[in-house]
Amino acid sequence: GAVVSQHPSWVICKSGTSVKIECRSLDFQATTMFWYRQFPKQSLMLMATSNEGSKATYEQGVEKDKFLINHASLTLSTLTVTSAHPEDSSFYICSAGQDFNEQFFGPGTRLTVL
Amino acid sequence: GNSVTQMEGPVTLSEEAFLTINCTYTATGYPSLFWYVQYPGEGLQLLLKATKADDKGSNKGFEATYRKETTSFHLEKGSVQVSDSAVYFCALSRPRGGSEKLVFGKGTKLTVNP
Repeated sequence: GAVVSQHPSWVICKSGTSVKIECRSLDFQATTMFWYRQFPKQSLMLMATSNEGSKATYEQGVEKDKFLINHASLTLSTLTVTSAHPEDSSFYICSAGQDFNEQFFGPGTRLTVL
Repeated sequence: GNSVTQMEGPVTLSEEAFLTINCTYTATGYPSLFWYVQYPGEGLQLLLKATKADDKGSNKGFEATYRKETTSFHLEKGSVQVSDSAVYFCALSRPRGGSEKLVFGKGTKLTVNP
């Protein structure tokens, strides 16, 4: 089956620093990648949708200058949390998909901002 | 807009009990319907899906039938195991599938006791 990886699986950083999370589709080319945020005991909140080579589409209420998304190739998308603060601590999950096929989810990245 | 409503948990069952997790949806047209499972500390895994009315998705003893007349996609399993303990999410997407964003329900936490 299709595999999506995320790196790192967990990260701890100091307040004010930036953190980059990578999402890779390992055995297929993903036309679209999605970034979700999951708070404890809650559902997934879609943050943005990214298509290779074009700007990401952010959901309402998500700060695009704070959560920078780059979809550099058909197998790689990155999410950078800029000037992170404790309230940004969360579980970030990406998914990747192709037209007419299912989406495949990465294992998630646990971000803790001190 | 599209939305998914699933029964609130948590749900606690004894091993070998029957499981039902209700899910209803609101959508225009004919969405694809999914059940995802999230084990503790992990990302989401597709459990089963159905893409048209009256389709039955099944996997690992779990089943769900796409009922357009009742706009439902209830998840069932005849005999749960301790290893089924996880959070279950019902979701829908527009028929293009992989390139369309998923709309998730809030998730239902299932705990199965020996």
